[in-house]
Amino acid sequence: GENVEQHPSTLSVQEGDSAVIKCTYSDSASNYFPWYKQELGKGPQLIIDIRSNVGEKKDQRIAVTLNKTAKHFSLHITETQPEDSAVYFCAASIMNTGFQKLVFGTGTRLLVSP
Amino acid sequence: EAGVTQFPSHSVIEKGQTVTLRCDPISGHDNLYWYRRVMGKEIKFLLHFVKESKQDESGMPNNRFLAERTGGTYSTLKVQPAELEDSGVYFCASSQEAHTQEYFGPGTRLTVT
Repeated sequence: GENVEQHPSTLSVQEGDSAVIKCTYSDSASNYFPWYKQELGKGPQLIIDIRSNVGEKKDQRIAVTLNKTAKHFSLHITETQPEDSAVYFCAASIMNTGFQKLVFGTGTRLLVSP
Repeated sequence: EAGVTQFPSHSVIEKGQTVTLRCDPISGHDNLYWYRRVMGKEIKFLLHFVKESKQDESGMPNNRFLAERTGGTYSTLKVQPAELEDSGVYFCASSQEAHTQEYFGPGTRLTVT
């Protein structure tokens, strides 16, 4: 079935520490994996994405890794800052009923304390 | 460049009433999507438009939900009649290519009492 599991549901770190959020997916044909950040009162904002032909992608303090064999991918935030506090969602593209769509995880609430 | 906009931001209605949500995608984006998040759960796909055509509506919960995109610009999502379980945040997103680089609007929080 179509399923993306995301862990942890909440994550608290001290400013400057690293934060890692992990997701697993079930469809081996999935080929696109975006990450979204949702701040209070706003919609999810695309922060980084990776395709299945790449194992790792980095953009300043954020990086995403993908392990296709194990069907899991992770978001890494280094040198966390209070403004990184938000809910983060992973997603994976899946094929269903002949159409491709994004399936999202349940979200991780990240709290960065000064 | 203006992002995806949604109206209203909040809506509180009684069970049995009708509500219409509106989404204006990013200009030039042919692909428009509706999603819903029920409290604490995942963001769930509802349907996907390519221009004015419904590409995939496999996520629509039931026939009380009707989405339209006349002219291929803005879209509306009507819930009629609303039930308690329809409460949640309804997001709209748009993209140039299908299912990649989707940009979300701020959402409409719907509360059915």
